[in-house]
Amino acid sequence: GNSVTQMEGPVTLSEEAFLTINCTYTATGYPSLFWYVQYPGEGLQLLLKATKADDKGSNKGFEATYRKETTSFHLEKGSVQVSDSAVYFCALTVTDSWGKLQFGAGTQVVVTP
Amino acid sequence: EAGVVQSPRYKIIEKKQPVAFWCNPISGHNTLYWYLQNLGQGPELLIRYENEEAVDDSQLPKDRFSAERLKGVDSTLKIQPAELGDSAVYLCASSSGTSGWSSYNEQFFGPGTRLTVL
Repeated sequence: GNSVTQMEGPVTLSEEAFLTINCTYTATGYPSLFWYVQYPGEGLQLLLKATKADDKGSNKGFEATYRKETTSFHLEKGSVQVSDSAVYFCALTVTDSWGKLQFGAGTQVVVTP
Repeated sequence: EAGVVQSPRYKIIEKKQPVAFWCNPISGHNTLYWYLQNLGQGPELLIRYENEEAVDDSQLPKDRFSAERLKGVDSTLKIQPAELGDSAVYLCASSSGTSGWSSYNEQFFGPGTRLTVL
């Protein structure tokens, strides 16, 4: 079956620190990969995506590269801000699932001033 | 443009009572999803609608859960009777077009309804 594993949180950082959230996956077929973010009190929002190997998704200073050889899609940001405090979810969908998303458990990130 | 609207935002009920959640998707979005999010976990799909048709309800516990989308617009998810283990956040999402086997249409999520069963 399909599954997503991401590092447990909370991850606590100081402002301007470097952020990495690890995400690995198993999938039948050829998945598309996503990072969603959930700010406090809000719904999940798509942060970035990559649909094929070696693609790099980027948005709002965040980046993630689709690594087929290591089945990974790690999220990175070079300098976090307090406003980046949120829960981040790694997710995948495969080509025969009609858009069904398989989510990881989520990683809470707390950025302190 | 208004996003996905869900109500209520919070609901507290006694076990064995019925409860219903309402979702209004983004205007023009014909695909609607209901997800269950347990504490500390990622969302899990319960049911997906294409217009008024439930095309994937394999994860919906049909003994107590039901859903409808009669006119292909807004949708209601019901639990009857509720159990303690149903305490969770119920998320609604919508997307435009039909997600075919080789495509992905971005899903837009509502803020969710947090259910507490006592």
